[in-house]
Amino acid sequence: KQEVTQIPAALSVPEGENLVLNCSFTDSAIYNLQWFRQDPGKGLTSLLLIQSSQREQTSGRLNASLDKSSGRSTLYIAASQPGDSATYLCAAPYPNAGGTSYGKLTFGQGTILTVHP
Amino acid sequence: ETGVTQTPRHLVMGMTNKKSLKCEQHLGHNAMYWYKQSAKKPLELMFVYNFKEQTENNSVPSRFSPECPNSSHLFLHLHTLQPEDSALYLCASSRDDSPKKRNYGYTFGSGTRLTVV
Repeated sequence: KQEVTQIPAALSVPEGENLVLNCSFTDSAIYNLQWFRQDPGKGLTSLLLIQSSQREQTSGRLNASLDKSSGRSTLYIAASQPGDSATYLCAAPYPNAGGTSYGKLTFGQGTILTVHP
Repeated sequence: ETGVTQTPRHLVMGMTNKKSLKCEQHLGHNAMYWYKQSAKKPLELMFVYNFKEQTENNSVPSRFSPECPNSSHLFLHLHTLQPEDSALYLCASSRDDSPKKRNYGYTFGSGTRLTVV
C-alpha cells in the first residue's frame, strides 16, 4: 500500500523567498505524481503532473522534480508571493485490487504555506 | 473553473432529509471519483467509477449512495446523515487507462460544503 508523507507540515516565509516543499512515497512503482494547491474551503487545483518517465516539470515560478529510486519529489517555488499562501498536496495513484482502475490517489497530509508581506 | 463542476456549492440538511450532490465534467475523462475532506483530516476516497462501472467502494456507509449514469455525470445521494458527515465533498475526474496501467492526472471540482444539523 502506498504511503505519502509531506515535510514540513507548515511553513511561514517572508515574501520573495525561494522555498522547497518535500514529498516522499513508499512504493517507487508509481507511474505519475501530481502536486495540487488547495485554498481554505475550496477544491484542489492541479499545479504540476510528473509522469514516471520524467525527472521534472516546470510551470511559471513552480518546478517539481521526481526521483523514483529514492521515493521523493520536491516542489520548488521561486520568489514567493502572498498569493501563494495555501495548502500544497502531493499525490500518487495506485490500482485497485481488481486492476480495473489505476486512479486511486494516495495523498500526503499537505504543507500549509504562509507567505507574509 | 477547472472543467469539473459541482453543485450545490453549499448545502445544509437535517438528519432526516434526502438530498443529492451533482458533479459534471466535459473533459472527456472516463473515471470519476468522490472524496470526503473533514476538518484537519486528509482526503478520503469514497467511490471510484470507471466507464460508469463502480470499481471501488471504500467501506462507505450505505447512507451515501453514488450514481453514475454516464461518464460525464456523477451523483452522491444522501439520506439520514449524521452530524459527523459534515465535510467538504469533492468530485474529481481523470483519464484512466487500466489496460495500459496508466492514469493521466486528476482534475477536481470546487467541492460541496455539507453541513448536517
